[in-house]
Amino acid sequence: AQSVAQPEDQVNVAEGNPLTVKCTYSVSGNPYLFWYVQYPNRGLQFLLKYITGDNLVKGSYGFEAEFNKSQTSFHLKKPSALVSDSALYFCAVRDRRGGKLIFGQGTELSVKP
Amino acid sequence: GAVVSQHPSWVICKSGTSVKIECRSLDFQATTMFWYRQFPKQSLMLMATSNEGSKATYEQGVEKDKFLINHASLTLSTLTVTSAHPEDSSFYICSARGGIDDNEQFFGPGTRLTVL
Repeated sequence: AQSVAQPEDQVNVAEGNPLTVKCTYSVSGNPYLFWYVQYPNRGLQFLLKYITGDNLVKGSYGFEAEFNKSQTSFHLKKPSALVSDSALYFCAVRDRRGGKLIFGQGTELSVKP
Repeated sequence: GAVVSQHPSWVICKSGTSVKIECRSLDFQATTMFWYRQFPKQSLMLMATSNEGSKATYEQGVEKDKFLINHASLTLSTLTVTSAHPEDSSFYICSARGGIDDNEQFFGPGTRLTVL
């Protein structure tokens, strides 16, 4: 069965420090990988995706993610966190046959001044 | 990027009434639309997938007679919660896929439904 795991319910980071939000997946073949961010009472905003090519993907708002096929991971990173980055982050995967988007359980990021 | 809108953004209704939520793709044609339900600080639960002009495909455990989905055109899908009850209170999010990049899904801002 296809699944996505975000092992941390919450990540706390001080402003200016680097942040990492972890994601691992279990999907057959080479899936498409996504990160979304959700602010309170809002829909999901697209951050970045991995389709093919360079394992390091750069996205919106200074975020990037690294695809690691051997570890089946797609961790989200940012070199210097901002208080405004505080939100709920979702990792998602989809198989290449055009199937459903499967979401992780979400990680709440809290960035303190 | 592509924009998906939802209307209304929030709705309060009495138990037993029906509520319709609209989802529109504003600047692209959505070949596929998705409806999700989300409880506070939890992940999105896919309710159903719909393709324009055909019946929606519901996920296991989702009552198709309670959550009516219509995808009448390439830019509009509606979710009607029939005979709503307090346990139907939730955040409903639609999503659309289509346009030039069919790999990406675009999400609406969500609709907060409260059933009294």
